[in-house]
Amino acid sequence: GEEVAQTPKHLVRGEGQKAKLYCAPIKGHSYVFWYQQVLKNEFKFLISFQNENVFDETGMPKERFSAKCLPNSPCSLEIQATKLEDSAVYFCASSQFAGPYGYTFGSGTRLTVV
Amino acid sequence: GQQLNQSPQSMFIQEGEDVSMNCTSSSIFNTWLWYKQEPGEGPVLLIALYKAGELTSNGRLTAQFGITRKDSFLNISASIPSDVGIYFCAGQLSNAGNNRKLIWGLGTSLGVNP
Repeated sequence: GEEVAQTPKHLVRGEGQKAKLYCAPIKGHSYVFWYQQVLKNEFKFLISFQNENVFDETGMPKERFSAKCLPNSPCSLEIQATKLEDSAVYFCASSQFAGPYGYTFGSGTRLTVV
Repeated sequence: GQQLNQSPQSMFIQEGEDVSMNCTSSSIFNTWLWYKQEPGEGPVLLIALYKAGELTSNGRLTAQFGITRKDSFLNISASIPSDVGIYFCAGQLSNAGNNRKLIWGLGTSLGVNP
């Protein structure tokens, strides 16, 4: 499709529980990016993929965060043992391989950890 | 993390007025992007700039890539109520190679009084 589809739209988890977020990129887009938008609008880069390969994971808190992009499946971002500070909106974006094009963003998943 | 300095942080104007916002950095960028985000949605790309000095328009929006490659501005002319939202600048560093990670400003929140 022509949109980046993120599910679920809202997710509530108790502290310590697992959270899993999904992203279906636009068909034909080779790059997928995950960003976390926290209070005060700040976008924090988490991880990017080129097809199913991790491209840049410098933003990932590795001890609890993991992500995958497998062929023929939505990409996923998983947070083990969620903490209160993980509460944020998580955005996925995809872009084409060729040229320095901007991303297309999904509508985000709002994660609330209580 | 690294950020762009975006100003103003917020502004409230009368319908029909023009508005200008800008982003500056101490680093050199090879791409500048301007996005608009509305509540509950992901950022939507407004204008993309790829060359120093480039001036690009999209309807009532005009953006320029600064000649020093360290800044960019966005102008909105004859504002209307649907211009309300948060406007973000984002850029790709010139020394990022093939890394497509974006560096973000903290947004300019625009309100328009009908």
